[in-house]
Amino acid sequence: DIQMTQSPSSLSASVGDRVTITCQASQDISNYLNWYQQKPGKAPKLLIYDASNLETGVPSRFSGSGSGTDFTFTISSLQPEDIATYYCQQYDNLPQGITFGGGTKVEIK
Amino acid sequence: QLQLQESGPGLVKPSETLSLTCTVSGGSISSSSYYWGWIRQPPGKGLEWIGSIYYSGSTYYNPSLKSRVTISVDTSKNQFSLKLSSVTAADTAVYYCARLTIYTAMVTLWGQGTLVTVSS
Repeated sequence: DIQMTQSPSSLSASVGDRVTITCQASQDISNYLNWYQQKPGKAPKLLIYDASNLETGVPSRFSGSGSGTDFTFTISSLQPEDIATYYCQQYDNLPQGITFGGGTKVEIK
Repeated sequence: QLQLQESGPGLVKPSETLSLTCTVSGGSISSSSYYWGWIRQPPGKGLEWIGSIYYSGSTYYNPSLKSRVTISVDTSKNQFSLKLSSVTAADTAVYYCARLTIYTAMVTLWGQGTLVTVSS
């Protein structure tokens, strides 16, 4: 099974800061990686697919990059409404190989 | 627009079987573009994919849960269902039904989630 190691598990940043989250796969997954945002009490929302593609309607301050085993998710300028937990999800070896990272909780300093 | 709604008991006793149904409304479950799946989230913890089903009935399960999981589909009712046997307290979680794209496993549609507690 492919394991996804996401870091940090939590972070605190100021409004306007650049925020970076990393996700490392236990083996090469090409660009088979998606990123989600989950606010308290809500279902997750897809932000980035195929490692770097912005889902329709998602603000451009969100971006993703990487391939192989190392991936990065970035919020270029943190906004108050971005307070949430963010998850990476790999989908190598579909349809039975889907795993999520452990999540990163983003808070305002 | 298309919506998903989970239904089923919110409390299950240890060693029994958890059963949930997801009703798809506003569209057809018989789409060639999507899988239909279950994802769970224990309180305060992360997301875990349980398994997926295609409208034809082909199923795919998380290896760690495979021995206890059955997912089925009823296209006539536009529903798919989850059964998880021999539950323990570790199976207490919010259970989401979801729609996943075929080639990229993007979850673009989620149910609201339902909390299932395993307790005697």
